[in-house]
Amino acid sequence: KAGVTQTPRYLIKTRGQQVTLSCSPISGHRSVSWYQQTPGQGLQFLFEYFSETQRNKGNFPGRFSGRQFSNSRSEMNVSTLELGDSALYLCASSLVAGVSTDTQYFGPGTRLTVL
Amino acid sequence: SQQGEEDPQALSIQEGENATMNCSYKTSINNLQWYRQNSGRGLVHLILIRSNEREKHSGRLRVTLDTSKKSSSLLITASRAADTASYFCATVPPFSGSARQLTFGSGTQLTVLP
Repeated sequence: KAGVTQTPRYLIKTRGQQVTLSCSPISGHRSVSWYQQTPGQGLQFLFEYFSETQRNKGNFPGRFSGRQFSNSRSEMNVSTLELGDSALYLCASSLVAGVSTDTQYFGPGTRLTVL
Repeated sequence: SQQGEEDPQALSIQEGENATMNCSYKTSINNLQWYRQNSGRGLVHLILIRSNEREKHSGRLRVTLDTSKKSSSLLITASRAADTASYFCATVPPFSGSARQLTFGSGTQLTVLP
């Protein structure tokens, strides 16, 4: 099976712009979660989607949003970019949601740089 | 916010030696997981230990969990240069409402010298 894919892998934007990141989960996986990784804050949970519904959201401002499509692919959007949004954004997929022992498989990440 | 701290922040050992990393967390957990990350890339799941387990093995990995101390350790035996990476512990809370959310520690950067 192909792993989790994320596009694009690298992105450079300027302050005030918006960006959309894409994640394709492993075939058959229905849950997608997003994480932000920065040197200062480490790895932080953004949100989780299952069956096109947001199930859980981390402590991030409303500028961060996401959605999931019927084929389980997910996108996250960040509007009005700030310098502090520069980070590695990681997507993870798993078979189902709400099962805490279900392994999450991470993609390679999208490196976002905001200038 | 991060669940807890990992200790040490950085560890440098010779190939063949054992590496031990520690993780402390703050709240009750359903399980604790260890992940590896190579140089700013994706995370790879290594092992999961449930809150009612005390020790678990997988190949060269040994994980212990002490829920009374809210701590866990990861031991990598007979380390190889390919083990060079950052290692993170992550916890899952006990309630199903947020069962998917992983809360990560700050990570340990392991360098294995050939």
